[in-house]
Amino acid sequence: KAGVTQTPRYLIKTRGQQVTLSCSPISGHRSVSWYQQTPGQGLQFLFEYFSETQRNKGNFPGRFSGRQFSNSRSEMNVSTLELGDSALYLCASSSGLAGILQETQYFGPGTRLLVL
Amino acid sequence: AQSVTQPDIHITVSEGASLELRCNYSYGATPYLFWYVQSPGQGLQLLLKYFSGDTLVQGIKGFEAEFKRSQSSFNLRKPSVHWSDAAEYFCAVGSQKVTFGTGTKLQVIP
Repeated sequence: KAGVTQTPRYLIKTRGQQVTLSCSPISGHRSVSWYQQTPGQGLQFLFEYFSETQRNKGNFPGRFSGRQFSNSRSEMNVSTLELGDSALYLCASSSGLAGILQETQYFGPGTRLLVL
Repeated sequence: AQSVTQPDIHITVSEGASLELRCNYSYGATPYLFWYVQSPGQGLQLLLKYFSGDTLVQGIKGFEAEFKRSQSSFNLRKPSVHWSDAAEYFCAVGSQKVTFGTGTKLQVIP
């Protein structure tokens, strides 16, 4: 089975721009979660999507949004980029039937975003 | 609010030596507890998790962790470290969402 794939792997943007990151889950998985990893704040949960609906949300401003398509692929969008948004963005997939705590989440390699 | 503390930012061990990575959590009840490993340039991989039952949990790659309620700890152990274990290790706690510790970087010297 193919693992979780994330595109692009690397991205450079400037302040004020917006960016869209993509995540393709493992085949058959219906839950996709997004995480931000920075040296200063560590790993932080952004949100989880299941069956095209946001099921859980972390404490991030509204500039961070996401969506999930009917094929379970998910996109994350960050608008009006700030320098502090530079981070590794990880997505993880799971079956979604029991919730992300009860299930094993499989992580992708991440998208490294640099905001200049 | 739940929180996780990993007091050791960086640990160096010799190959073949035993390993213990510390994790302390703060939460009112017994939460879900996790250990993840992240190799350079990679995403996270789940090593093991605990919610209930036997307090000694066996995971992949020869790792185990012990839940001690009285100490609010969930330390990760491995009896004999291999060079390929060099990575960053994250402890996490979950109730409705997951909170990660700041990580411990493990260096393995030959």
